[in-house]
Amino acid sequence: RKEVEQDPGPFNVPEGATVAFNCTYSNSASQSFFWYRQDCRKEPKLLMSVYSSGNEDGRFTAQLNRASQYISLLIRDSKLSDSATYLCVVNPRSGTYKYIFGTGTRLKVLA
Amino acid sequence: NAGVTQTPKFQVLKTGQSMTLQCAQDMNHNSMYWYRQDPGMGLRLIYYSASEGTTDKGEVPNGYNVSRLNKREFSLRLESAAPSQTSVYFCASSDSTGFYGYTFGSGTRLTVV
Repeated sequence: RKEVEQDPGPFNVPEGATVAFNCTYSNSASQSFFWYRQDCRKEPKLLMSVYSSGNEDGRFTAQLNRASQYISLLIRDSKLSDSATYLCVVNPRSGTYKYIFGTGTRLKVLA
Repeated sequence: NAGVTQTPKFQVLKTGQSMTLQCAQDMNHNSMYWYRQDPGMGLRLIYYSASEGTTDKGEVPNGYNVSRLNKREFSLRLESAAPSQTSVYFCASSDSTGFYGYTFGSGTRLTVV
């Protein structure tokens, strides 16, 4: 079993739609969680950290479910500019720096 | 602008040639990393440096060496390039806690022929 697993997609959604991605992780002791966005042929950029209580940033909502060991990202009112690959990232242990990256979920928002 | 700078952006090597990828950050981060990204395999850690003066192997270190020259700079060297090292290479940095995520450089696209 991979340490971090994501559905590769692509998710093709119309503009204005709501779309959600899940990511599962295998290490129950994992400490920190993030969503990164990666545009084609560009570097990954931090989209948002994921906190235990859940957090929201504009149209984006991230949630953590420790009991089931998954994190989610919800995008409301999708824009064409949201088209990208979304990477789930997990820090497996406190005091380490070696994040584990998922292979990403590709999103295409269609006009 | 503050961030992570990588050079070169593109490189073509012949099998057996050597080269060094340069990375510098001006964010006063203690930790720096080298990743490679291949289609369908995600980002894989090659080497990392938790702090100045230390380096450690990651998931795929074979064929690479690194140098943490000072707090700002972390270089990756390919001593004898192989076609299997064709990839996109990203340098990243973070603070000591790792709590706030990584900042990535813009990447180096390397082709070995």
